[in-house]
Amino acid sequence: EAGVVQSPRYKIIEKKQPVAFWCNPISGHNTLYWYRQNLGQGPELLIRYENEEAVDDSQLPKDRFSAERLKGVDSTLKIQPAELGDSAVYLCASGGAAIYGYTFGSGTRLTVV
Amino acid sequence: GENVEQHPSTLSVQEGDSAVIKCTYSDSASNYFPWYKQELGKGPQLIIDIRSNVGEKKDQRIAVTLNKTAKHFSLHITETQPEDSAVYFCAATLPGGSYIPTFGRGTSLIVHP
Repeated sequence: EAGVVQSPRYKIIEKKQPVAFWCNPISGHNTLYWYRQNLGQGPELLIRYENEEAVDDSQLPKDRFSAERLKGVDSTLKIQPAELGDSAVYLCASGGAAIYGYTFGSGTRLTVV
Repeated sequence: GENVEQHPSTLSVQEGDSAVIKCTYSDSASNYFPWYKQELGKGPQLIIDIRSNVGEKKDQRIAVTLNKTAKHFSLHITETQPEDSAVYFCAATLPGGSYIPTFGRGTSLIVHP
């Protein structure tokens, strides 16, 4: 099993530029999550998908962040324009039929300069 | 919402010693408490979990305890090894149809050979 695949692993951009992250969940997992992890802190939920529907996006800064999960499989998270404070690791996780527990990807480390 | 406090932020031990990480949560309705281990450059991985109807759970060298009355839970690692060095996160989850844990800020465990 390939696990949750994220790309790119690292991204350095100048502020005000756009950036996109991609996530491919474990095959068959209907639930997909995007988290942001600031340095020295735990992950914080940005958005949760059930298949292609965003069911919890209350923590997503909608003025600059957007996400999509077309066809209920892989997903992209976009920031436009990026700000210095967006520097963090962006983690994707997916979950299957079991209520508890899911698998994280290795994350994308974003640095905004 | 739920709030999770985790201590200590850094823990340094000698190989073979025991390590204990403590967490408290605010919402007495939380009923599932996973622990994650995050190695450098990787996403968090579930290492052990405990549900609110259980007071203690053990898996080889790691164990978790839960005190619902006091709203705190702990991770115990015995006979620590250098490969146990990582950041450990506790989390608390409220009941419901989704699985969205609230994470602590993490504990950086350093095991010296």
